Amino acid sequence: EPEVTQTPSHQVTQMGQEVILRCVPISNHLYFYWYRQILGQKVEFLVSFYNNEISEKSEIFDDQFSVERPDGSNFTLKIRSTKLEDSAMYFCASGDVSYNSPLHFGNGTRLTVT
Amino acid sequence: RKEVEQDPGPFNVPEGATVAFNCTYSNSASQSFFWYRQDCRKEPKLLMSVYSSGNEDGRFTAQLNRASQYISLLIRDSKLSDSATYLCVVNVGNAGKSTFGDGTTLTVKP
Repeated sequence: EPEVTQTPSHQVTQMGQEVILRCVPISNHLYFYWYRQILGQKVEFLVSFYNNEISEKSEIFDDQFSVERPDGSNFTLKIRSTKLEDSAMYFCASGDVSYNSPLHFGNGTRLTVT
Repeated sequence: RKEVEQDPGPFNVPEGATVAFNCTYSNSASQSFFWYRQDCRKEPKLLMSVYSSGNEDGRFTAQLNRASQYISLLIRDSKLSDSATYLCVVNVGNAGKSTFGDGTTLTVKP
């Protein structure tokens, strides 16, 4: 079964550093997402992306965050200057035919900001 | 009011029990509805989509009541492997934002 893959599985960084989280969505999917989950809390929407542009972003997704689909396979989330409160599990997801399609999640990247 | 509200749980049930989870949502424009399960420190995995006509997948039955803005999940003949957190997910559909409930934790005991 096709999978969404994320790398790295765990990233430790110092406050103020830039991080890039990488995702390879399922190949025929058209809709891409980033979600995050702070330990012990619920899954929160960050951003949706379709046709090479952001469709919607949440209040969490401020100027420090950006997404990019640099080629036909990768989908990245960049945090420009990390803060302690950015520590969380970041999940990439993809959907096939519409915004109402079910989400297929990757295994996640655990980001720890020290 | 939360956008998506679930039974707080936790639910502790013996093997073989039937258990039901409830979820309400606040946005009447919501278009698609799902149940996911999440095992500890893992990614959410789709359990089933939820349709107005109700749908069943083996031991799992999901119902949607648009008038009451209410979604349910029924698990029959619980197995140990059903132990997980069950997430109610609602999608307004305009631009892909899915809103997750806090989750309801189920523990099935021998």
